[in-house]
Amino acid sequence: EVQLVESGGGLVQPGGSLRLSCAASGFTFSSYEMNWVRQAPGKGLEWVSYISSSGSTIYYADSVKGRFTISRDNAKNSLYLQMNSLRAEDTAVYYCARDGRGAVAGTFDYWGQGTLVTVSS
Amino acid sequence: QSVLTQPPSVSGAPGQRVTISCTGSSSNIGAGYDVHWYQQLPGTAPKLLIYGNSNRPSGVPDRFSGSKSGTSASLAITGLQAEDEADYYCQSYDSSLSGSRVFGTGTKVTVL
Repeated sequence: EVQLVESGGGLVQPGGSLRLSCAASGFTFSSYEMNWVRQAPGKGLEWVSYISSSGSTIYYADSVKGRFTISRDNAKNSLYLQMNSLRAEDTAVYYCARDGRGAVAGTFDYWGQGTLVTVSS
Repeated sequence: QSVLTQPPSVSGAPGQRVTISCTGSSSNIGAGYDVHWYQQLPGTAPKLLIYGNSNRPSGVPDRFSGSKSGTSASLAITGLQAEDEADYYCQSYDSSLSGSRVFGTGTKVTVL
């Protein structure tokens, strides 16, 4: 069974930093591209960042470019999101989401349960 | 701000049919990119509902169907059930944006 479990969320002051983690199990993590998607309270979904299976290709949404860094450790089956210079508008539930392959290519076929990041003084 | 527009809400009585539109442009849906749909039940993570415009993953009831035409896509729910009350999001690819993944604005489906 595919499982994605996020951790690392919490309350942080504006300008602060936080590192999110996503532990993957139930599939060959090193073969899949991964993403972070966020959802502000009461709002819609926003794609945040993508990383290829090897980590060699990375993309960011304009809203986080230059402040967030996505990375992965295939030996530890883990995905990370380093968030710096946090702003109030970064307050959201952050989901780890697997990129679909084959027939479901282009989708986010599995999601974690999410971790809440609150940026407030 | 999302480049895919959905109605904020739709509602219907049990057993009825409702549809949700997802309107894009020539840089996303109109460019031929596939549209996918997600269902988000209250307090839970999104779940893939429709992929490749009109295909259902295993386990998704055939009450859910998707279609795409021109710069828009639609999700239809027939035989609406109380358990279908949720938020629904379309998702596609946009060639004008960094990273290119885009979601719709989301639609709340209410079962009357």
